[in-house]
Amino acid sequence: QVQLQESGPGLVKPSQTLSLSCSVSGVSISSGTYWWTWLRHHPGMGLEWIGYMHHSGNTNFNPSLKSRVTMSLDTSKNQFSLTLTSVSAADTGVYHCATTCDDGGCFDYWGQGTLVTVSS
Amino acid sequence: QSVLTQPPSASGTPGQRVTISCSGSNSNIGANSVNWYQYLPGTAPKLLIRNNNQRPSGVPDRFSGSKSGISASLAISGLQSEDEADYYCAAWDDRLNGALFGGGTKLTVL
Repeated sequence: QVQLQESGPGLVKPSQTLSLSCSVSGVSISSGTYWWTWLRHHPGMGLEWIGYMHHSGNTNFNPSLKSRVTMSLDTSKNQFSLTLTSVSAADTGVYHCATTCDDGGCFDYWGQGTLVTVSS
Repeated sequence: QSVLTQPPSASGTPGQRVTISCSGSNSNIGANSVNWYQYLPGTAPKLLIRNNNQRPSGVPDRFSGSKSGISASLAISGLQSEDEADYYCAAWDDRLNGALFGGGTKLTVL
């Protein structure tokens, strides 16, 4: 059973960089089985796909965020990470890591999420 | 504004059957599978329906999905109080080359 757990700072100042990690258990992130994914839930606005990364190095990001997003894998820790630069209040929300199924709109395993607030 | 359109709210009494619609376009629902999620704030979203109408292991058969053209529906029969949650549809969009979600439907069990 794949389990995911997000971690990171709960508060980030505007214009700064947000960095989150997702610890994975139950499968090796280098197995090539899954696409490692980040999504977020905006308060009152719903879910938004941020993007995903594969162990092969292939990535795909939401065009609206692409210029500010970086993802990476740390195989030694069995973790993957999200970096979002130049944050604003619009980036406030609950960030979830997940795995993508065979269909790009299908996400089968999810972390519980971590709340990130962008505020000075 | 979400590209996939869902009603903002739905409601029913225990035991009833409710349906939630999701409308898109030829580049998303019309071309790809629809997936449905149950979301309770503070918890991990749960995949309810994948590939339009398939239930992952552990999802009760009270939940069913269907798709026709550029629209899809989630049906919940034998409504229970524990079904009170937010429900989201999602599909890959070939034009965006990314995943899209509906705006979510808040289901209230009266």
